[in-house]
Amino acid sequence: DAGVTQSPTHLIKTRGQQVTLRCSPKSGHDTVSWYQQALGQGPQFIFQYYEEEERQRGNFPDRFSGHQFPNYSSELNVNALLLGDSALYLCASSTGTSKLEQYFGPGTRLTVT
Amino acid sequence: RKEVEQDPGPFNVPEGATVAFNCTYSNSASQSFFWYRQDCRKEPKLLMSVYSSGNEDGRFTAQLNRASQYISLLIRDSKLSDSATYLCVVNFYGGSQGNLIFGKGTKLSVKP
Repeated sequence: DAGVTQSPTHLIKTRGQQVTLRCSPKSGHDTVSWYQQALGQGPQFIFQYYEEEERQRGNFPDRFSGHQFPNYSSELNVNALLLGDSALYLCASSTGTSKLEQYFGPGTRLTVT
Repeated sequence: RKEVEQDPGPFNVPEGATVAFNCTYSNSASQSFFWYRQDCRKEPKLLMSVYSSGNEDGRFTAQLNRASQYISLLIRDSKLSDSATYLCVVNFYGGSQGNLIFGKGTKLSVKP
């Protein structure tokens, strides 16, 4: 039973560029949440996707956008990258009936230079 | 005031020690509570949910005090493998809205 997978594992981008991160949820899960974890901080909620729609959003600017596909996988897009966007981006999956029981993927470590 | 606040770390303890972590949350309407564990450069993993009546899982005991908006985690007979960062997590809205609010975490180092 495959857990949550994310790609790529590491990424280095330059200020102003755009980036796309990918997530495949755990088998049987239909809800994907994205979190940003800066060094020394706890994860911060970005948004959650269910039935291919953004259902909730945290306090992140519009530069952060996402998508969920019919197979429940998801992408996180960040435009106009800033140095402060450097962080570990975590994807968590859950089911529609138990959104709080979230399983995290290994994350994508993004470095913006 | 931060939504979820935890004890500052790090906690350095010898093997076999008992260690307690505390956490406070700001929103009295909070409905669900958890402790997650995160190893260095790894993803967070659910350690245990926290119920109003308190709950125990082996060497781990979690307590919730809604009146004081306070959550605790007690680890007995600590092992080297318990070394990790422990994250206090709260959900304000219940199961229909699944965004989790994390504390900054408290680092635990168990020494031989």
